[in-house]
Amino acid sequence: SQQGEEDPQALSIQEGENATMNCSYKTSINNLQWYRQNSGRGLVHLILIRSNEREKHSGRLRVTLDTSKKSSSLLITASRAADTASYFCATVNAGNNRKLIWGLGTSLAVNP
Amino acid sequence: DGGITQSPKYLFRKEGQNVTLSCEQNLNHDAMYWYRQDPGQGLRLIYYSQIVNDFQKGDIAEGYSVSREKKESFPLTVTSAQKNPTAFYLCASSPNGQNRYNEQFFGPGTRLTVL
Repeated sequence: SQQGEEDPQALSIQEGENATMNCSYKTSINNLQWYRQNSGRGLVHLILIRSNEREKHSGRLRVTLDTSKKSSSLLITASRAADTASYFCATVNAGNNRKLIWGLGTSLAVNP
Repeated sequence: DGGITQSPKYLFRKEGQNVTLSCEQNLNHDAMYWYRQDPGQGLRLIYYSQIVNDFQKGDIAEGYSVSREKKESFPLTVTSAQKNPTAFYLCASSPNGQNRYNEQFFGPGTRLTVL
């Protein structure tokens, strides 16, 4: 079952600009994870944020989590053409630590 | 794609035939997962296994079967009962099925086309 909903579905920006993607979910979570998928490839884990955390950084990535609004955002700063990919959020729900519940993804195009 | 391999990369099948997709990992992970991805869609869980010789149905298990006889291997069989099997299949693993914070590591995927 899909829980996360990413927004926007597609995003096109110029190199050097920042890209922001949002994810909303429906139930209480233990943690939320962001993954990246290049076209026709497997997914790569980017960052995990726990339910008691509000913000996390990893290189050019910044993730925020607002549990009161049941939402998260992924910010990619100073984007590069190589950042072109689909980005998915996935949640581990409270009480069920066995499965990731996936959103539908945001398709990001970074134009050189 | 880490230490997870999937084969083949592309697979063509005639209607009515069963086909088995391979997934092998050398990461010593306990848990393994099979997902299906359709165009423009997120991932849907087919089956998962927390430990050797044990597995559970995911959200869309009908028409699929799995086995987990070895820790490093989790093959998926797409049977003729699966009505719409054309899709991109992804295998993943995570270090410890009981650890709720674990990230998942993905293989490169197998694209199955039914002719």
